[in-house]
Amino acid sequence: NAGVTQTPKFQVLKTGQSMTLQCAQDMNHEYMSWYRQDPGMGLRLIHYSVGAGITDQGEVPNGYNVSRSTTEDFPLRLLSAAPSQTSVYFCASSYSWTASTDTQYFGPGTRLTVL
Amino acid sequence: KQEVTQIPAALSVPEGENLVLNCSFTDSAIYNLQWFRQDPGKGLTSLLLIQSSQREQTSGRLNASLDKSSGRSTLYIAASQPGDSATYLCAVAGSARQLTFGSGTQLTVLP
Repeated sequence: NAGVTQTPKFQVLKTGQSMTLQCAQDMNHEYMSWYRQDPGMGLRLIHYSVGAGITDQGEVPNGYNVSRSTTEDFPLRLLSAAPSQTSVYFCASSYSWTASTDTQYFGPGTRLTVL
Repeated sequence: KQEVTQIPAALSVPEGENLVLNCSFTDSAIYNLQWFRQDPGKGLTSLLLIQSSQREQTSGRLNASLDKSSGRSTLYIAASQPGDSATYLCAVAGSARQLTFGSGTQLTVLP
């Protein structure tokens, strides 16, 4: 198993550009999520999905869109990049949400800089 | 809204010392609590998961405890090694289907 993969590893954007961060998992996990990590603030949830076709907002959803057309993929779209979106983005997955035994598996992250 | 706090923010200890990292949370309605390790420039690796009905979990030199009623968890690391140097994060999984993280404790183990 490759686990959770993310591409690209690094990205530099100019203000106003759009892009998609890719996330894929090969563990047949139902639950997938996107976090951003900023210095001194821990990780904050952006969006999550409990299965194909089902997504919901997390703590900091503004400026981001998601969709989930397959179990494996959960892309994060930045509609019009802003310097405040400079951060490290992590994708995570788990088998389900309701099982109390579910471990969250994280991808290696995408470091995004918006100029 | 769930809030998770980790104290201290940074900790430096000599090799071989036993140490305790602290995590507190405000809402006791949780599914589980997880401890993660993050190395610089890397993703998160799950160390231990404690279900809401459990009091503790152990893996090798690591022992995590959970006291839901007081909203506290501790991660005990025995006989610390330089390879344990990393940032340790705790996170609680709540009924809102959200994992809420603390801001982490940066641990340095000195040879």
